[in-house]
Amino acid sequence: SAVISQKPSRDICQRGTSLTIQCQVDSQVTMMFWYRQQPGQSLTLIATANQGSEATYESGFVIDKFPISRPNLTFSTLTVSNMSPEDSSIYLCSVGRAGTDTQYFGPGTRLTVL
Amino acid sequence: EDKVVQSPLSLVVHEGDTVTLNCSYEVTNFRSLLWYKQEKKAPTFLFMLTSSGIEKKSGRLSSILDKKELFSILNITATQTGDSAVYLCAVIIQGAQKLVFGQGTRLTINP
Repeated sequence: SAVISQKPSRDICQRGTSLTIQCQVDSQVTMMFWYRQQPGQSLTLIATANQGSEATYESGFVIDKFPISRPNLTFSTLTVSNMSPEDSSIYLCSVGRAGTDTQYFGPGTRLTVL
Repeated sequence: EDKVVQSPLSLVVHEGDTVTLNCSYEVTNFRSLLWYKQEKKAPTFLFMLTSSGIEKKSGRLSSILDKKELFSILNITATQTGDSAVYLCAVIIQGAQKLVFGQGTRLTINP
């Protein structure tokens, strides 16, 4: 497994602002992913964070709304832009290594947009 | 469209009971199935299953996969209040690394 940290753990933001969430892993990993869990719902993949290139977004998610960076093999950021109350969710990063399907999740960021 | 369906969505039992959680899937090209336990925010990994009929076991928890019937079960014996959580089932498809999650089963263990 891997030790994964996320910052912030929670935040309350105003409509129209942006928030950047950081995900840090204690060792190099091949794969990093960002998921969203809306209240009472299951997890939905936002995008795969690719090291050194643009992220791969899932249907329904766009780069302008959720820009992602991955400058190296241990760190990634997700920005939630121009927030609305519908963006209130838990945002989770997960990591995986080549050769195994197991993914491990960070502690999550609980975002509330007023 | 790839789909993972869990049942029941909610379950309330008494401490000491045995529970069985179900996960069925319809996906284009199955590779593996994973079970997670989510207590607060972060899902914690329980099992990964790739082959039919091979039981994975960890303490009071066990899981098995049936690739012919496209389902998996998660069993918890002698339940404890600390088992109260949402249990998530997810599938990985060949050629993609992403997890496709079911809705989850909210399990409540009453003392």
